[in-house]
Amino acid sequence: EVQLLESGGGLVQPGGSLRLSCAASGFTFSIYAMSWVRQAPGKGLEWVSSISGIPGSAATTEYAASLKGRSTISRDDSKNTLYLQIHSLRVEDTAIYYCARAFAGWNYDYWGQGTLVTVSS
Amino acid sequence: DIRVTQSPSSLSVSVGDRITITCRASQSISNYLNWYQQKPGRAPELLIYAASTLQSGVPSRFSGSGSGTDFTLTISSLQPEDFATYYCQQSYSSPCIFGQGTKLEIK
Repeated sequence: EVQLLESGGGLVQPGGSLRLSCAASGFTFSIYAMSWVRQAPGKGLEWVSSISGIPGSAATTEYAASLKGRSTISRDDSKNTLYLQIHSLRVEDTAIYYCARAFAGWNYDYWGQGTLVTVSS
Repeated sequence: DIRVTQSPSSLSVSVGDRITITCRASQSISNYLNWYQQKPGRAPELLIYAASTLQSGVPSRFSGSGSGTDFTLTISSLQPEDFATYYCQQSYSSPCIFGQGTKLEIK
């Protein structure tokens, strides 16, 4: 059974940093591209970042304009884990952050339950 | 960026109704259009990908159509478990933007 389990969310002050993790199981993690998608309270879905899944090759990464320069997506295929590091957090970064598995391009067939990031003083 | 615009933003419907939600892309995206369902407090779930391919396990009352810039999601006979918010997403090019969502509410 495919499972994605996010962790690392919490209350952070503006300007702070955090690292989100997504532990994957039930599939060959290394061959799948992965993404982070967030959802602010009461709002819609916003794509945040993606990383390719090509074992043996340098991963390619992409970021939403709202987080470019403040975030880093990475993966550790030996630990079946996806990461998202975010710096200089803003109040508007408050959201549930989901990790999602991509197949046949950027079609998200499995999602984690999400981790809540609250940026507030 | 290729944007997608959903309509309507909300729909008041009854069990058994046939409903259609539309999604329009700001430029042609071929058939690179997906539909997701999200229930309160839950993660989104993929319903349809590549405009018209039903994801495994999704009931056949859901269907998708369209290509280019105009797409539709149809639920042939609404069931109680279908009251949720639906999002389209273009997967043609990065950033893979989601529509604003369509919330189905009980009439």
